[in-house]
Amino acid sequence: GEDVEQSLFLSVREGDSSVINCTYTDSSSTYLYWYKQEPGAGLQLLTYIFSNMDMKQDQRLTVLLNKKDKHLSLRIADTQTGDSAIYFCAVLSGTGGYNKLIFGAGTRLAVHP
Amino acid sequence: NAGVMQNPRHLVRRRGQEARLRCSPMKGHSHVYWYRQLPEEGLKFMVYLQKENIIDESGMPKERFSAEFPKEGPSILRIQQVVRGDSAAYFCASSPPRTGVGNEQFFGPGTRLTVL
Repeated sequence: GEDVEQSLFLSVREGDSSVINCTYTDSSSTYLYWYKQEPGAGLQLLTYIFSNMDMKQDQRLTVLLNKKDKHLSLRIADTQTGDSAIYFCAVLSGTGGYNKLIFGAGTRLAVHP
Repeated sequence: NAGVMQNPRHLVRRRGQEARLRCSPMKGHSHVYWYRQLPEEGLKFMVYLQKENIIDESGMPKERFSAEFPKEGPSILRIQQVVRGDSAAYFCASSPPRTGVGNEQFFGPGTRLTVL
């Protein structure tokens, strides 16, 4: 079945850039998402990219997609302590024609002064 | 427009009891998805429902678990005879009626089930 892999932890200094990486197996995925989860909270959609795009920028967030390598990354510029959270990569399953999401295990981002 | 609501937020059950988790989708949304998040893991798809219909339950265990989304009222995820392995956060998401690929799913805050 489809699989999404992420590294589990990332630690960065405040003000630096963070890069969170994700690989997936389903080459037919049309939409790829990044969600943020703060402790005890639900999921907040940060951004998404359509599979025919290579890059998408939204303020401090930059998403890069390498479809050939099935690799997705999220770059957070000028990382702040408020960015500390778990970040989930998710891809739209290529079957069914509706929004079945396949999630990675999440990357825990720790921002230290 | 209130977001997706789930209740209770926290639920404690003893082994063998039943757990009922409720999800009220956003106003105007007729599609509901349930996901389960085990500790230190990502979310796993369980079931997708439209009003009065189960569309895809491929991620739901065959026994003890059931889901419904009646014409009136919230969607219910029901777990009978709970076991410790059912302890997890259960998230509900909703999306609007248009079923085009890429519709955003809006997530609720989740129900954290603890089985003693």
